[in-house]
Amino acid sequence: TQLLEQSPQFLSIQEGENLTVYCNSSSVFSSLQWYRQEPGEGPVLLVTVVTGGEVKKLKRLTFQFGDARKDSSLHITAAQPGDTGLYLCAGAGYGGSQGNLIFGKGTKLSVKP
Amino acid sequence: DTGVSQNPRHKITKRGQNVTFRCDPISEHNRLYWYRQTLGQGPEFLTYFQNEAQLEKSRLLSDRFSAERPKGSFSTLEIQRTEQGDSAMYLCASGDPRGSEKLFFGSGTQLSVL
Repeated sequence: TQLLEQSPQFLSIQEGENLTVYCNSSSVFSSLQWYRQEPGEGPVLLVTVVTGGEVKKLKRLTFQFGDARKDSSLHITAAQPGDTGLYLCAGAGYGGSQGNLIFGKGTKLSVKP
Repeated sequence: DTGVSQNPRHKITKRGQNVTFRCDPISEHNRLYWYRQTLGQGPEFLTYFQNEAQLEKSRLLSDRFSAERPKGSFSTLEIQRTEQGDSAMYLCASGDPRGSEKLFFGSGTQLSVL
């Protein structure tokens, strides 16, 4: 069974601080996606990483896919209150249907002004 | 609004009742997915349609659950004889026909079974 472990589970920081959240697995994924979810809403896709070692930047967010395609990290620079939310990583396995994603439990981020 | 639409947003029902949810995907997307999310967990895959064909079902989808996509457009998810353990957010997502793994989620239907 493929599992994705996210850490930390909760993170509360002050505006302006930097943070990194992690997504780890013992399984290899063909691609990995990061989503942000607000209470009462569906997840919104932030980025998809496909190549081992790949780094993608989205404004203050930096995403990295591990060389072995088993893990990923999300780094946020100078966090803002608007970054508050649940950050979910989701992996697409080999041989499964496209969109049959395996999600981690998420990291709940709170950025205080 | 050209996003994924789900109705109702909230549903409260008594144990043993049947409920049906509807999902309208993005119009040009031929792939449609149902996921379930409980508090403190990430979404869990339930089932997948390509056009009107249901191609994959999770073992989480018990016999009380049935999903349809009769004309390859909107989809419905029915739960018969609801149980308290069915309480969750039911999320629908659609994907474009180019084969990308990107999913676009709706806002979900929050089900509470009393």
